[in-house]
Amino acid sequence: DGGITQSPKYLFRKEGQNVTLSCEQNLNHDAMYWYRQDPGQGLRLIYYSQIVNDFQKGDIAEGYSVSREKKESFPLTVTSAQKNPTAFYLCASRSSGTGPNEQYFGPGTRLTVT
Amino acid sequence: AQSVAQPEDQVNVAEGNPLTVKCTYSVSGNPYLFWYVQYPNRGLQFLLKYITGDNLVKGSYGFEAEFNKSQTSFHLKKPSALVSDSALYFCAVRGRKATTGSYQLTFGKGTKLSVIP
Repeated sequence: DGGITQSPKYLFRKEGQNVTLSCEQNLNHDAMYWYRQDPGQGLRLIYYSQIVNDFQKGDIAEGYSVSREKKESFPLTVTSAQKNPTAFYLCASRSSGTGPNEQYFGPGTRLTVT
Repeated sequence: AQSVAQPEDQVNVAEGNPLTVKCTYSVSGNPYLFWYVQYPNRGLQFLLKYITGDNLVKGSYGFEAEFNKSQTSFHLKKPSALVSDSALYFCAVRGRKATTGSYQLTFGKGTKLSVIP
């Protein structure tokens, strides 16, 4: 998990509340990603950013929002519009050098909404 | 669109025996393939990748993977399993998204490996 921090590790919220998950990296990576992990479904891409002040929707962006104001930070907001927000959320980053470089993952945040 | 299949939800192997975790893929263009491991309540850790060249790729912790283009497979292997290898393993393929033209990873659903003492 080195170089990428996510906080908090566990997060509990009431239905109808927005919540923001933090992701910070000190790897000097240009690209950052947010994934959602549900049991038996693997990882699904929510949003990604290849450069500061720019981001794109992934496969399941509805009900989520992001910002990328600094290279090191890529916070994810889970809005009240997300119908099933309870999940394990993983942030990742990748160097944008030449070649298909691997992504490095943070330790994850487990969000429970009741 | 690219896809990854991990046909086994769970693999059980005795400690000291060889292990194989299967992965098949579908992607347009050159396949760039990755294996990651996840321990409970942790993030994913990179094990190895295939970009080009030798079909047998060596990675971390004694793992290796064999790329087979004709069978579109990228199976993960280890000659002698350890109890500490018990974890969830993900195969992923890098492909270009048709709508945006950007590259993204597509993951399989994961295979739970249990190494029995």
